[in-house]
Amino acid sequence: NAGVMQNPRHLVRRRGQEARLRCSPMKGHSHVYWYRQLPEEGLKFMVYLQKENIIDESGMPKERFSAEFPKEGPSILRIQQVVRGDSAAYFCASSQMTGPQPQHFGDGTRLSIL
Amino acid sequence: AQTVTQSQPEMSVQEAETVTLSCTYDTSESDYYLFWYKQPPSRQMILVIRQEAYKQQNATENRFSVNFQKAAKSFSLKISDSQLGDAAMYFCAYRRNSGNTPLVFGKGTRLSVIA
Repeated sequence: NAGVMQNPRHLVRRRGQEARLRCSPMKGHSHVYWYRQLPEEGLKFMVYLQKENIIDESGMPKERFSAEFPKEGPSILRIQQVVRGDSAAYFCASSQMTGPQPQHFGDGTRLSIL
Repeated sequence: AQTVTQSQPEMSVQEAETVTLSCTYDTSESDYYLFWYKQPPSRQMILVIRQEAYKQQNATENRFSVNFQKAAKSFSLKISDSQLGDAAMYFCAYRRNSGNTPLVFGKGTRLSVIA
């Protein structure tokens, strides 16, 4: 019974490149949340998705960042033209379909920008 | 907007002793959940304990318990009989009870356990 799977665990990119972070939710979970954790900070909400729909993207920067959760396959957080300030740990969490279910977290992807 | 404040950036405790981590929050909602998450150096986010706002009884999980003061909007975590494995960052989090809403986190408290 696998938990939330994120890959890669660590991603290194040069400024201007694209970063793609993947998240496979727990089996049976159709709700996915992305959070960003800057050094020495708590997690900050970025975006909430259900299958094929973005429900709430109020925490996501308007430019360069996008997220998707297709019918088949993992959720993807995409950062275009990365800058040094994008360096952070990005966490994905998933929950079941109904009710205020607890969110289960993946181990995160640490993004480092050279 | 809801906010969560953890006023202690760092705390330390002797092994086998008790420590309390503070958390306050601000919300106009009456129905919500509160959580404490532990983040060890491995970076995992581990749910320690949760509290439903409508419950007056404080939640307890083995050595972990909370002191939930709804009127004061306070939600402290008490760790009894501290162990070396308790050393980690601890995050307090809030979540409105309305469908699947995101968590709002505090900035965390780094707990050191001294042998």
